[in-house]
Amino acid sequence: GESVGLHLPTLSVQEGDNSIINCAYSNSASDYFIWYKQESGKGPQFIIDIRSNMDKRQGQRVTVLLNKTVKHLSLQIAATQPGDSAVYFCAENPYNNAGNMLTFGGGTRLMVKP
Amino acid sequence: DSGVTQTPKHLITATGQRVTLRCSPRSGDLSVYWYQQSLDQGLQFLIQYYNGEERAKGNILERFSAQQFPDLHSELNLSSLELGDSALYFCASSVASAGGDTQYFGPGTRLTVL
Repeated sequence: GESVGLHLPTLSVQEGDNSIINCAYSNSASDYFIWYKQESGKGPQFIIDIRSNMDKRQGQRVTVLLNKTVKHLSLQIAATQPGDSAVYFCAENPYNNAGNMLTFGGGTRLMVKP
Repeated sequence: DSGVTQTPKHLITATGQRVTLRCSPRSGDLSVYWYQQSLDQGLQFLIQYYNGEERAKGNILERFSAQQFPDLHSELNLSSLELGDSALYFCASSVASAGGDTQYFGPGTRLTVL
């Protein structure tokens, strides 16, 4: 069953196209950022992370871009596949806390059309 | 499979009752985190334990409590349950406790309060 809000922004892309999912974060003190993928009925799955001393990091078919000036994070997925359909969350880790709590964005639903 | 296990998968109970959710972290991880995911609030951090001690606290209600045992598994206790406590509860784990340590999530426990 669904595990996220009913009114998520949705990105619909054609299979094989590139996808770009955006996220605005709130805390200028955050120094670590993560993208998670959540499929229906499952827990968030780690995709890629980036630290504040970088502005780009690449993984397999995914790239994360960080713009600290405007507090913006994006996730690019190359050659999007049906298996990429899920809700994607960005999360930030504020530096000024004793632990390691994550603050999550509201999520974006990615729908891949075959 | 993240290596984090949670039981039970589903829990249905009545208002006023008390339940216990259980989490086993990935092998070698010392930190355990609890998050709540509801339709209107998204993913929210509740509490973090590191090697048996509370490390960080988020928006956790006084009716909720948690602990981490010597074998590093953790339990989240929810008491005097209300309808609004219905949500998905996720446990995550990481190796250490400091910021920037990647958190891996379990499959969640879906709590329904009737």
